[in-house]
Amino acid sequence: NAGVMQNPRHLVRRRGQEARLRCSPMKGHSHVYWYRQLPEEGLKFMVYLQKENIIDESGMPKERFSAEFPKEGPSILRIQQVVRGDSAAYFCASSPPSWQGYQPQHFGDGTRLSIL
Amino acid sequence: KNEVEQSPQNLTAQEGEFITINCSYSVGISALHWLQQHPGGGIVSLFMLSSGKKKHGRLIATINIQEKHSSLHITASHPRDSAVYICAVRSKGGATNKLIFGTGTLLAVQP
Repeated sequence: NAGVMQNPRHLVRRRGQEARLRCSPMKGHSHVYWYRQLPEEGLKFMVYLQKENIIDESGMPKERFSAEFPKEGPSILRIQQVVRGDSAAYFCASSPPSWQGYQPQHFGDGTRLSIL
Repeated sequence: KNEVEQSPQNLTAQEGEFITINCSYSVGISALHWLQQHPGGGIVSLFMLSSGKKKHGRLIATINIQEKHSSLHITASHPRDSAVYICAVRSKGGATNKLIFGTGTLLAVQP
């Protein structure tokens, strides 16, 4: 049973380019979370999604960042017009449907984004 | 002030020592997680607690809801336990399952 799969593991972009980070949740999981870990800082919540719905985006920067979790395919975190301050590790986590009660989140290995 | 505070920030121990990492939080919670992150690596969930105590191998996690405090203990520590240990809480109420994280405790176990 594969865990949470994130790709790419490392992504290098130049300032002004777009970055797309992908996350495939564990089989049977319908909730996806994105977290950001800035250098020398702790993890911070960005967004919580269920299939085709954004449940909580209170941690997303207001501009340039967007997230989706379509009916088919992985969840995508999209950063437009990247800047140096976007350099960070981005982690995705997933959990089972709500009817199972609150369950631990399973984390992926992260995408390390570097902006030149 | 952070809603989740961990201590110590850095911890160096000799192999075989008993280790304790502490976590205090200021919000009402429905669950507390202990996570492990190796340098440059992914994040592994060690425990999820809402009350009492859990044990897995050499790891023990306890929580005191009234005092808003949790501890992670490692018995007979080993160099492979060297990692960052992160406390995270899920706030009580609301539809969101988002986690609030401590800044982590960097543990180095020397042979």
